[in-house]
Amino acid sequence: NAGVTQTPKFRILKIGQSMTLQCTQDMNHNYMYWYRQDPGMGLKLIYYSVGAGITDKGEVPNGYNVSRSTTEDFPLRLELAAPSQTSVYFCASSYEPTLSSYNEQFFGPGTRLTVL
Amino acid sequence: AQKITQTQPGMFVQEKEAVTLDCTYDTSDPSYGLFWYKQPSSGEMIFLIYQGSYDQQNATEGRYSLNFQKARKSANLVISASQLGDSAMYFCAMRAYNNNDMRFGAGTRLTVKP
Repeated sequence: NAGVTQTPKFRILKIGQSMTLQCTQDMNHNYMYWYRQDPGMGLKLIYYSVGAGITDKGEVPNGYNVSRSTTEDFPLRLELAAPSQTSVYFCASSYEPTLSSYNEQFFGPGTRLTVL
Repeated sequence: AQKITQTQPGMFVQEKEAVTLDCTYDTSDPSYGLFWYKQPSSGEMIFLIYQGSYDQQNATEGRYSLNFQKARKSANLVISASQLGDSAMYFCAMRAYNNNDMRFGAGTRLTVKP
């Protein structure tokens, strides 16, 4: 199993450009998440999805869009990139959390994005 | 709203000694889970240990244990017999079970000295 894979690993964007960060998981997890990690900080949830066709906003959704057409894929779209979006982006997936099972989130390796 | 606080930006420990990394949390939800993740310099997030709010016993996973004090809303990570490979950032996180918003603390950078 590859787990959670993310592409690209690194990207430099100019202000105003757009791009899509790809995320794929092969663990048949229903839940998928996108986080950003600013330098020296913890992770903040951007968007999440509880299944194909269902997405919802997290703590910091502004400037981003997501879609979930399949169980495996959860791309994150940046429109009109801004320097404030310079960050490391992590995708994660998990089974549905329950009280009896913690269902940890499995993280991808991250995408380091710089907006100049 | 949920909030996680890690008050130690950096910690040092001598190899083979134990170290405690602090984490306090705030939530109004009665059902929640607490997580600790390790992030080495390579950048990946590695799950270490979990504690459920209804768990009666403190969680343990090898050299990691979680000192859960529910009334004080604290979930400190204890690493016993520190190794050089334990040098990393450590993040405490919490998730309430009535929503999907996982909140992370700012992290503690642990350095293990030989």
